[in-house]
Amino acid sequence: DAKTTQPNSMESNEEEPVHLPCNHSTISGTDYIHWYRQLPSQGPEYVIHGLTSNVNNRMASLAIAEDRKSSTLILHRATLRDAAVYYCIQDNYGQNFVFGPGTRLSVLP
Amino acid sequence: DGGITQSPKYLFRKEGQNVTLSCEQNLNHDAMYWYRQDPGQGLRLIYYSQIVNDFQKGDIAEGYSVSREKKESFPLTVTSAQKNPTAFYLCASSRTGSGWQETQYFGPGTRLLVL
Repeated sequence: DAKTTQPNSMESNEEEPVHLPCNHSTISGTDYIHWYRQLPSQGPEYVIHGLTSNVNNRMASLAIAEDRKSSTLILHRATLRDAAVYYCIQDNYGQNFVFGPGTRLSVLP
Repeated sequence: DGGITQSPKYLFRKEGQNVTLSCEQNLNHDAMYWYRQDPGQGLRLIYYSQIVNDFQKGDIAEGYSVSREKKESFPLTVTSAQKNPTAFYLCASSRTGSGWQETQYFGPGTRLLVL
C-alpha cells in the first residue's frame, strides 16, 4: 500500500504560517504527492500536488524533500476557514490510493 | 456550473432494506469513485469505475453494489448484507481513470443512518 504518515492534529494561530508535514518513505520515482483538505461535513477538495520541485498555487505551497521521502504543505497565513483535515496522498500510479486519517488543523483566533 | 451532485444529503435505512445513493457529474469525466468515511477516519474506497459499463471493487466492496450505465451517473446501492452501513458516503470523479495523477473532484456527500 502507498501509505503516508501525518500527525493527528496541529494548531495554529490566525494569520500565522502553518507547516503540515507528511512522510512517504515508500515513494517511488514516478509517484506524485497530492494534498487534499476536508472541511466538516463536506467532501475533500484538492489543494496542491507535486513530483520533485516545490510547487506554489493560490491556496498553498508544497515543499518536497530532496530524497522525496517527505513533504510539507505550507499555508502562508492561516485563516479560520483553513481549519480542516488535511490529507497527504502518495500517488501510486494505476492502483487504488489511500486516504489516511490526515491531520486535523485547528486555527485559533 | 460543472460539478458533482449527490442526493439525498441525509438518508435513513431500516433494517433489511436496500437503499440507493445517487451520484451525478457533468464534468465529462470518465472515472468515478465511491468512498465511505467513518467518524475520525480517512476515506475508504468502495468501488470505482474507469469507463462506462465497467467497474471494479475497492477495499470494502462487500455489502455494496454499483452500476455505470451512463457516463454521468454512478449510483451506489447499500444492500441489507452491509451490516454496519451508518457512515458518510462520498462520490468523486476524475478526467480519466488511468492513474492517480488526475485530480479528483468530490461531491458534498450523503450521510446514511440506520433506524
